[in-house]
Amino acid sequence: SYELTQPLSVSVALRQTARITCGGNNIVSKNVHWYQQKPGQAPVLVVYRNTNRPSGIPERFSGSNSGNTATLTISRVQAGDEADYYCQVWDSSIVVFGGGTRLTVL
Amino acid sequence: QLLVQESGPGLVKPLETLSLTCAVSGGSITSSSYQWGWVRQPPGKGLHWIGSISSGGNTYYNPSLKSRVTISVDTSKNRFSLRLSSVTAADTALYYCALIRGTIMFDPWGQGTLVTVSS
Repeated sequence: SYELTQPLSVSVALRQTARITCGGNNIVSKNVHWYQQKPGQAPVLVVYRNTNRPSGIPERFSGSNSGNTATLTISRVQAGDEADYYCQVWDSSIVVFGGGTRLTVL
Repeated sequence: QLLVQESGPGLVKPLETLSLTCAVSGGSITSSSYQWGWVRQPPGKGLHWIGSISSGGNTYYNPSLKSRVTISVDTSKNRFSLRLSSVTAADTALYYCALIRGTIMFDPWGQGTLVTVSS
């Protein structure tokens, strides 16, 4: 079965750029979606189909997908961006989530 | 704006069947554009897909749960449901329902409902 690998944690200084990776075999061939989950809240879609932002999501959130790695990039990180982030794909009629990455803002 | 909301018992005994419902508002559950899904999150852990159902009734289940899961749609009440049989403590989790759009992305999610399996 298909697997997605994310780092357990990423730390970034306030107003710097955070990059969260999602590794998978030939992931470039898949549509990758990203979710943000703040403590005590439901997940929220922040990037869909690799590079697209839903309405209401700040332009600071962007995504890319190449080779075996998809990346969520958060520019000018704010304290409010501190959360868990999950990548997700659809493979062979199965939904797969990455294990999640805890973003800590220093 | 289409919204979803989970409901159901917060406590289930071991070996019994967990039953949850997801009410859909702001749109029709029969729309051919959507699927409807369930995701769970054990305390302190990550997201785990349970299964999904299309407007046409096609179901897709996580292989690890397939033998115990049933997802169905009630068009008369504009809602869909989850049944998970023979539960154990390992099924204790926050259960989310969600609308699934386009290239199988989950948006929006319900607020989640905590289900504890305990005698």
